Amino acid sequence: GAVVSQHPSWVICKSGTSVKIECRSLDFQATTMFWYRQFPKQSLMLMATSNEGSKATYEQGVEKDKFLINHASLTLSTLTVTSAHPEDSSFYICSAKWGREAFFGQGTRLTVV
Amino acid sequence: AQSVTQLDSQVPVFEEAPVELRCNYSSSVSVYLFWYVQYPNQGLQLLLKYLSGSTLVKGINGFEAEFNKSQTSFHLRKPSVHISDTAEYFCAVSDLADKLSFGAGTTVTVRA
Repeated sequence: GAVVSQHPSWVICKSGTSVKIECRSLDFQATTMFWYRQFPKQSLMLMATSNEGSKATYEQGVEKDKFLINHASLTLSTLTVTSAHPEDSSFYICSAKWGREAFFGQGTRLTVV
Repeated sequence: AQSVTQLDSQVPVFEEAPVELRCNYSSSVSVYLFWYVQYPNQGLQLLLKYLSGSTLVKGINGFEAEFNKSQTSFHLRKPSVHISDTAEYFCAVSDLADKLSFGAGTTVTVRA
């Protein structure tokens, strides 16, 4: 199957700094990628749809200026959490579509201190 | 818009016993259905999917699910579980726009 690689797996940052998370499709091209957020013991919440070469589509309630998404190539989408605060601490997961199937990255555990 | 309801938040089960995880969905359009498994601090791995055709779908690790359109259900089953099946399981539905909507998840704990 297709492989999606997410980096880093975990990151600790200071409050007020920005953090970039990368999502790469390793063996296929993905015009569409998705970013999710998962709180402990909860389901995945779709944050935004990342489209190659165009602006991301954000779900209702997600601050686009805080969660910057860039999909500059067919194999890479990045999520930047700007001016991070402790409440942004969470597990972030990306996925990329190939055909009718979504392939998920390993997730990134973000801890803001 | 579609939604997914996983009726059981936690399912404890003994090793080698059968398990069934229930999933119901609602949608106004045709949907595609999926079951994913998530191990701690990891992403999601696809267990199986229903796109069309046979309503009984077989997946990896001995799991299977049956799509029941009249009952809008897509329950997941395994006849004999292993300790390694301890994980979080998510049912998901996507529409033609390919956005996935997830259920709340079911925690399966397999005990010896």
